[in-house]
Amino acid sequence: DTEVTQTPKHLVMGMTNKKSLKCEQHMGHRAMYWYKQKAKKPPELMFVYSYEKLSINESVPSRFSPECPNSSLLNLHLHALQPEDSALYLCASSRKGGDRVYQETQYFGPGTRLLVL
Amino acid sequence: KNEVEQSPQNLTAQEGEFITINCSYSVGISALHWLQQHPGGGIVSLFMLSSGKKKHGRLIATINIQEKHSSLHITASHPRDSAVYICAVSRPETSGSRLTFGEGTQLTVNP
Repeated sequence: DTEVTQTPKHLVMGMTNKKSLKCEQHMGHRAMYWYKQKAKKPPELMFVYSYEKLSINESVPSRFSPECPNSSLLNLHLHALQPEDSALYLCASSRKGGDRVYQETQYFGPGTRLLVL
Repeated sequence: KNEVEQSPQNLTAQEGEFITINCSYSVGISALHWLQQHPGGGIVSLFMLSSGKKKHGRLIATINIQEKHSSLHITASHPRDSAVYICAVSRPETSGSRLTFGEGTQLTVNP
C-alpha cells in the first residue's frame, strides 16, 4: 500500500464551525506533514510530525490544531477559521523525517479542498 | 529573488513534442525533487536526485550540481502529461523534512 488518503475531499464550513481533516497512511512512515496550498502557488508547510511528536510548526495560527494519534494517522482540527484560510490542504508522509534526514521522498495525499464562508 | 526558480512559468506543446522544464537554485542542497500536480490537486513525486540523471518511462531528470541547475525532460509528450510541474530542494542546513519549492510550471499538451 503506497497511498496516502485524506478525508473529506471537499469541506465547506462557516467561521464559527469546528471541523477536522483526516489523513492516513499504511506505509510504515514515521514522518507526516500538513501543507496549505492556495491557487497557482506552491504548497506551504504548516506542521511536521516525526515519530508522533510535533517537530515543526511554521508559526501557524492556533485556529489550526494538529494531532497525531498514532504513526498512521494525522488530523488537523479547524476552529474559527477565516475566509482567507480557504485553500487545498495536503497531507504527506515520508519514511523518517527529522533533523538528520536529508534526502527523503514525500508521498502526498489527494488533498482536502476547504472553503470557509 | 526566489531560492528556487523555474522556467518557463507556462508551456504549451503539441502532442509528441519533446519538452524541457528548467529549475535553477541559489542555495546548497542535499537533494532536488521534481513533483507533478494534476488539476485535481494530488501531488506525485517524480524524481529525487542529488547527482547525474534519472529516467522513468518518458521522463528524464538531470542535475548539474556545479551550475545549480536541473532539467526535467518529457519525450513524446501526451495530453495526459498536462499538469503543473514543481521543482523543490532539500537543504542540508535545515531539516530534511523541509522542502523549498519553486513556483511551478504549468504544462498544457494539446492533441
